[in-house]
Amino acid sequence: KAGVTQTPRYLIKTRGQQVTLSCSPISGHRSVSWYQQTPGQGLQFLFEYFSETQRNKGNFPGRFSGRQFSNSRSEMNVSTLELGDSALYLCASSSAVGGTYTQYFGPGTRLTVL
Amino acid sequence: AQTVTQSQPEMSVQEAETVTLSCTYDTSESNYYLFWYKQPPSRQMILVIRQEAYKQQNATENRFSVNFQKAAKSFSLKISDSQLGDTAMYFCAFELGTDKLIFGTGTRLQVFP
Repeated sequence: KAGVTQTPRYLIKTRGQQVTLSCSPISGHRSVSWYQQTPGQGLQFLFEYFSETQRNKGNFPGRFSGRQFSNSRSEMNVSTLELGDSALYLCASSSAVGGTYTQYFGPGTRLTVL
Repeated sequence: AQTVTQSQPEMSVQEAETVTLSCTYDTSESNYYLFWYKQPPSRQMILVIRQEAYKQQNATENRFSVNFQKAAKSFSLKISDSQLGDTAMYFCAFELGTDKLIFGTGTRLQVFP
């Protein structure tokens, strides 16, 4: 099976712009989660989608939003970018394996805000 | 709220030796899942091993094994016969089965030849 894919891999934006990141889960996985990784804050949970519905949300401002499509692909949007949004954004998909939901990660999108 | 603590920012080990990475967590829940993920310089997050809290038997995956002490809320990772390819950041993570992982701050492991 193909793994989780994320596009684009690298992105450079300027303050005030908006950005959309895409994530395609492993075939058959219906849950997609997003994480932000920065040197200062570490790995933080953004939100999780299952069957096109947001089930969990982390403690991020409303500028961060997401959605999931009927084919389980997910997008994450950040509006009015700030310098502090520079980070590695990781997407993970999961499916219950023997009752355990294990998340498998994509390679990440490196966002730089100038 | 659940928290995960990794008290060793950096560790080093010689090739073929054994190393243990520490992790403690805090929760009032009785059913949960624990994971160790590895993040090499490529930044790809790779699952190393997982443990269900309701299972008393410690998980093992080839050279990787855990010491899960539920009462002490401790979940350490032992890497046997360390290899150069094990050089990476290792993250301990906790989950309540809600697809929301809570990560520790990570331990940077360097394997020397």
